[in-house]
Amino acid sequence: GAVVSQHPSRVICKSGTSVKIECRSLDFQATTMFWYRQFPKQSLMLMATSNEGSKATYEQGVEKDKFLINHASLTLSTLTVTSAHPEDSSFYICSANSHRDSNNEQFFGPGTRLTVL
Amino acid sequence: GQSLEQPSEVTAVEGAIVQINCTYQTSGFYGLSWYQQHDGGAPTFLSYNALDGLEETGRFSSFLSRSDSYGYLLLQELQMKDSASYFCAVRGGFQKLVFGTGTRLLVSP
Repeated sequence: GAVVSQHPSRVICKSGTSVKIECRSLDFQATTMFWYRQFPKQSLMLMATSNEGSKATYEQGVEKDKFLINHASLTLSTLTVTSAHPEDSSFYICSANSHRDSNNEQFFGPGTRLTVL
Repeated sequence: GQSLEQPSEVTAVEGAIVQINCTYQTSGFYGLSWYQQHDGGAPTFLSYNALDGLEETGRFSSFLSRSDSYGYLLLQELQMKDSASYFCAVRGGFQKLVFGTGTRLLVSP
């Protein structure tokens, strides 16, 4: 299957700072990537759809000015959590569709655990 | 709104068969996917049903009834390593996935 990586895997930051998370498709090109957030023992919630070369599409209730998404190339999307607060502490996961796959499934990155102190 | 309901927890013993149900109410439906997620890990794809019926992949099978807005994941010959959370997810427009509430499966010896 296709491989998606994320960096960093874990990050701890102080309240009020910004954190950037990278999502890369390693062996395929992804015109569309997705960003999810998962709180402990809960489901994955789609935050936004990242489109290469255009603006991201945010889900209802997700602040676009707080969660900045940049999809500058066909293999890289970044999520920046600006002015992070403790309530932003969560597991952030990205995914991408590989059109090589017959099911057109989404492949997920390993996730980034963000802790805001 | 959109909702996908699953049982919160299921327990079983090694070697047994377990079925995890998913009922959904969504706008836009292209198919139902199933994912496995171990604690702290990423979701991994298990199966996908676009049409009604049963899809079999090794020890795992998945079923879909679009008229009933219902599907299930069947796990056979359970192993300890199958202890994980399982999520159904509806594929909607623009390739989006909407995930279910998740089912925690606990397999005991």
